[in-house]
Amino acid sequence: GENVEQHPSTLSVQEGDSAVIKCTYSDSASNYFPWYKQELGKRPQLIIDIRSNVGEKKDQRIAVTLNKTAKHFSLHITETQPEDSAVYFCAASKPHDMRFGAGTRLTVKP
Amino acid sequence: DAGITQSPRHKVTETGTPVTLRCHQTENHRYMYWYRQDPGHGLRLIHYSYGVKDTDKGEVSDGYSVSRSKTEDFLLTLESATSSQTSVYFCAISPSGGSYNEQFFGPGTRLTVL
Repeated sequence: GENVEQHPSTLSVQEGDSAVIKCTYSDSASNYFPWYKQELGKRPQLIIDIRSNVGEKKDQRIAVTLNKTAKHFSLHITETQPEDSAVYFCAASKPHDMRFGAGTRLTVKP
Repeated sequence: DAGITQSPRHKVTETGTPVTLRCHQTENHRYMYWYRQDPGHGLRLIHYSYGVKDTDKGEVSDGYSVSRSKTEDFLLTLESATSSQTSVYFCAISPSGGSYNEQFFGPGTRLTVL
């Protein structure tokens, strides 16, 4: 089955700096790659996603890149703010089969 | 948040007892999913449904069963709870399901099996 590796497991940045989280996947049939943000005690919230036919997508301060050949994708957060502090999960999905990474705990220091 | 609720939100039970968790949606989406979340594992798919009475197994289905008699409700049952099933359970819904299955999560149920 699909295996999704996510790095780093923890990330601490200064407010205003950029943060990058990287994921790799193994199943070439995966065609959809969402990113979720989860605050403590809350539900995962979809923040951005990318489809396999797109190489990059941006939404304000967040962007995602996908390299299908290398089977890796990344989340980039620019101008980080304290409210960006949370756990971020990547996922790789094919129909009815979404596999998640283990998560990255991002801390943004004011 | 999408119109998804889960009940109960917290439950403590004893080993060997049956437990049923409920997911209710008001979005009329065809696809519904049950996940469990454990430290170090992200979320793992237990079962999913692609329509009324249509369900299938996910990655970690052993010890769990599901039922969907109405579009809006998806039930997860632990026939005989074990301590290894202590976890946070999330329901998710998707308007598209098959390809590019954008999923939206419910608030979660924290289950403790003693």
